Amino acid sequence: DIQMTQSPSTLSASEGDRVTITCRASQSINSWLAWYQQAPGKAPKVLIYKASSLESGVPSRFSGSASGTEFTLTISSLQPDDFATYYCQQYYTYSLTFGQGTRVEMK
Amino acid sequence: QLQLQESGPRLVKPSQTLSLTCTVSGGSISSSSYYWGWIRQPPGKGLEWIASMSYSGTTYHNPSLKSRVTISVDTSKNHFSLKLSSVTAADTAVYYCATFYSNSYANFWGQGTLVTVSS
Repeated sequence: DIQMTQSPSTLSASEGDRVTITCRASQSINSWLAWYQQAPGKAPKVLIYKASSLESGVPSRFSGSASGTEFTLTISSLQPDDFATYYCQQYYTYSLTFGQGTRVEMK
Repeated sequence: QLQLQESGPRLVKPSQTLSLTCTVSGGSISSSSYYWGWIRQPPGKGLEWIASMSYSGTTYHNPSLKSRVTISVDTSKNHFSLKLSSVTAADTAVYYCATFYSNSYANFWGQGTLVTVSS
């Protein structure tokens, strides 16, 4: 299986902050990566697919980028609804794997 | 807009089989664009993909669960199902059904259902 490692595990930030979350794959996955947001008690929601494509309806403050096996999710200006947990997921192989999650909490 | 809803027993005894159904509305389960699958999340932990299946029968499993998992699609009822055998307390989790665009990322999710394994 391809291992996905996210950092940090927890991030403390304030409304309006620029936030960056990193996800590293254990091998090349090209750009076959998605990012999800999960609010407490809710199902995850896809934000980004193919590393940098914004899902329809997702605010433009969310963006994704890739460099080799390292992927980044950036929130340009943190809003109240953005305090949540974020997961990356690779779909390069048929055996889908998620990162362990990054919790964005209020500072 | 697809909507998915999980249903099934919330409490399962150890060594028994967990059975869940996901009813799809707002679209056909016979769509060739989607795979239909399951993801679980133990309390306070991360997401784990379980298995996915196309309406035509192509199936992919998490290798760590493959020997215990059966996934099926019923086009006549527009629903799909999960069976997980020989459950233990480690299988206690919120189980989500989801659609995967060509077995890639999950773009529609059910609300999730907590299944507890306990005697």
